[in-house]
Amino acid sequence: GQSLEQPSEVTAVEGAIVQINCTYQTSGFYGLSWYQQHDGGAPTFLSYNALDGLEETGRFSSFLSRSDSYGYLLLQELQMKDSASYFCAVRGGGATNKLIFGTGTLLAVQP
Amino acid sequence: DADVTQTPRNRITKTGKRIMLECSQTKGHDRMYWYRQDPGLGLRLIYYSFDVKDINKGEISDGYSVSRQAQAKFSLSLESAIPNQTALYFCATSDSRTGSYEQYFGPGTRLTVT
Repeated sequence: GQSLEQPSEVTAVEGAIVQINCTYQTSGFYGLSWYQQHDGGAPTFLSYNALDGLEETGRFSSFLSRSDSYGYLLLQELQMKDSASYFCAVRGGGATNKLIFGTGTLLAVQP
Repeated sequence: DADVTQTPRNRITKTGKRIMLECSQTKGHDRMYWYRQDPGLGLRLIYYSFDVKDINKGEISDGYSVSRQAQAKFSLSLESAIPNQTALYFCATSDSRTGSYEQYFGPGTRLTVT
C-alpha cells in the first residue's frame, strides 16, 4: 500500500521556526512536494524535492532523505498568515505527475 | 481572471441525481486532474488526463466519470449521487513540457448530497 504520515496539528508563535515532518511508504518514488492550503481554499505549491538535501525558498525550506523515506518542511520567521494546512505529497512511479497526498498538518501561529 | 476555474462553486443535490462539475483552464497545460478532499483525509485523486485522448482512473474512481472535451476543459460527473460523495472537489492542472512538477489548483466545488 501507499501511505504518508504527518502530524495532524502543530502550534507555534510568531517569529519562531517550525518543522513539519512527513514519512512515506509508497510503491515507486520520484519526489516529495509540499502544498499550502488556507481554510479550504485552493492548495498552492510550495516546494519539490527529487534529490536528498535541503531546498530553500525564502522563509520556507524543504528537506528530503530518500534512504529514510522522510522529508520535512521548515518555516522560519513565522507570520500569522502562515496559519494554514500543509500537505506533503509523493510523486509516484511511472512517467506521470500523479501525486499521493498526506492527510495534512494544521499549523496555528499564535501572537 | 483565475487560471483554473471551477463551476459551480457550491452545489446541494439529492441522492440519485446526476451532477456535473466543470473545470476550465487558461494556462495551456496538457494535464488535468480531479481530486476530492474530505476532512482528515487529505486530497485523493479521482481521475487524471494527460491529453484529450488519455484518461486514467485514480485512487477512488468508483461512482465517478470524466470527460475531457478539449485541452482546456475537464468535467467530472456523478451519475447517481450518494451522500458519501459529499466533499470538496478540486480540479488541478500541470504542464508536462516544463519539467516542473507543480500542480495548479482551482478554487474548489463544495458538493453536498442529501
